[in-house]
Amino acid sequence: AIQMTQSPSSLSASVGDRVTITCRADQDIGKDLGWYQQTPGKAPKLLIYSASNLQSGVPSRFSGSGSGTDFTLTISSLQPDDFAIYYCLQDHIYPLTFGQGTRLDIK
Amino acid sequence: QVHLQESGPGLVKPSQTLSLTCTVSGASISSGVDYWTWIRQHPEKGLEWIGYTYHGGTTHYNPSLKSRLNMSIDISKNQLSLSLRSVTAADTAVYYCATYGTTLGKIEHWGQGALVTVSS
Repeated sequence: AIQMTQSPSSLSASVGDRVTITCRADQDIGKDLGWYQQTPGKAPKLLIYSASNLQSGVPSRFSGSGSGTDFTLTISSLQPDDFAIYYCLQDHIYPLTFGQGTRLDIK
Repeated sequence: QVHLQESGPGLVKPSQTLSLTCTVSGASISSGVDYWTWIRQHPEKGLEWIGYTYHGGTTHYNPSLKSRLNMSIDISKNQLSLSLRSVTAADTAVYYCATYGTTLGKIEHWGQGALVTVSS
């Protein structure tokens, strides 16, 4: 199975900050990567698909980039609703595999 | 708007079978637009993909669970089913059903999740 490694595992930031989370695959996955946001007690929510495409209804402060093995999720200006756990997911090869998550907390 | 709702026993004894149902509204399982996937999340842990099923009977399971797993679709009820045999405490998790668009890799619509605890 493809292993996905996110960094950092946790991050503290303030409202208005620019934040970047990275996800690395242990083999080339092209652009077959999505980013998901999960808040406590809720199901994950799709933010970005195919590495850089913004899901409908998701604020434009979220953006994704990368291809191959290295990917990033950027939040340009943190808002209070953005404090959550973020996961990357590869769907290049089965089984689908998630990163371990990045917890984004309020500083 | 697509809505998914998981249901099933919240407590299962070790060695028994975990069975969950996912009722879909706002979309037809037989439409062929999406695959139907299950994902689980162990308490305070990350996400694990379980597998998917498709209305034509196609399935693809995570190899880590394949020997114990069965997924099916009931078109008449617009429901998905998940069955996991010989459970242990390690199968305690929140189980989610969701839509999976294989073309763009989107897991777009999720159920709220069902907590299943394996304990005697």
